[in-house]
Amino acid sequence: SQQGEEDPQALSIQEGENATMNCSYKTSINNLQWYRQNSGRGLVHLILIRSNEREKHSGRLRVTLDTSKKSSSLLITASRAADTASYFCATAVTTGTASKLTFGTGTRLQVTL
Amino acid sequence: GAVVSQHPSRVICKSGTSVKIECRSLDFQATTMFWYRQFPKQSLMLMATSNEGSKATYEQGVEKDKFLINHASLTLSTLTVTSAHPEDSSFYICSARGADTQYFGPGTRLTVL
Repeated sequence: SQQGEEDPQALSIQEGENATMNCSYKTSINNLQWYRQNSGRGLVHLILIRSNEREKHSGRLRVTLDTSKKSSSLLITASRAADTASYFCATAVTTGTASKLTFGTGTRLQVTL
Repeated sequence: GAVVSQHPSRVICKSGTSVKIECRSLDFQATTMFWYRQFPKQSLMLMATSNEGSKATYEQGVEKDKFLINHASLTLSTLTVTSAHPEDSSFYICSARGADTQYFGPGTRLTVL
């Protein structure tokens, strides 16, 4: 399985602090994406970073990608209680005309007041 | 962003019955849709890739005769869990491929008694 590993598995911080989640994967990729999932709900796409990009920003989110180390990180700055959710990285690999997303193990983020 | 719906959102059934889950892309046409399952506090695992007008491609270890997938139109894919058993209880999530990423449905919680 090429499922990625994320760490930490769980992270608890206070509102206003920054949260950093890391993702490692095993194979070459076309892009890497981060998703958010509230408990028992579907996934919300947060940000996509292509394999030729090293860093990307979107609002309070900052994503880095190091293809030599096959790793990515998601930084959420100035966290809010509403950021409480599970966060998954997903790697996109295209084989021929088929493209599939493979999800990491996820990080459960708890932001307390 | 694009919208993907799933129906039903929750279903409880008796062991041995079959359950059909629908996945619709509401504002775009999707030639490719994906079906995932997610056990509590775990990541999403790809079950199969559904291609409009052709047979689905199943991931290793997924029984195609148990999880029937039909993608008869560009906006609808269905997953039928045949002869469901308690171990099939899970959260099933579909997604539809868009231009640059996948758009996920809200998920269906299946409980088999």
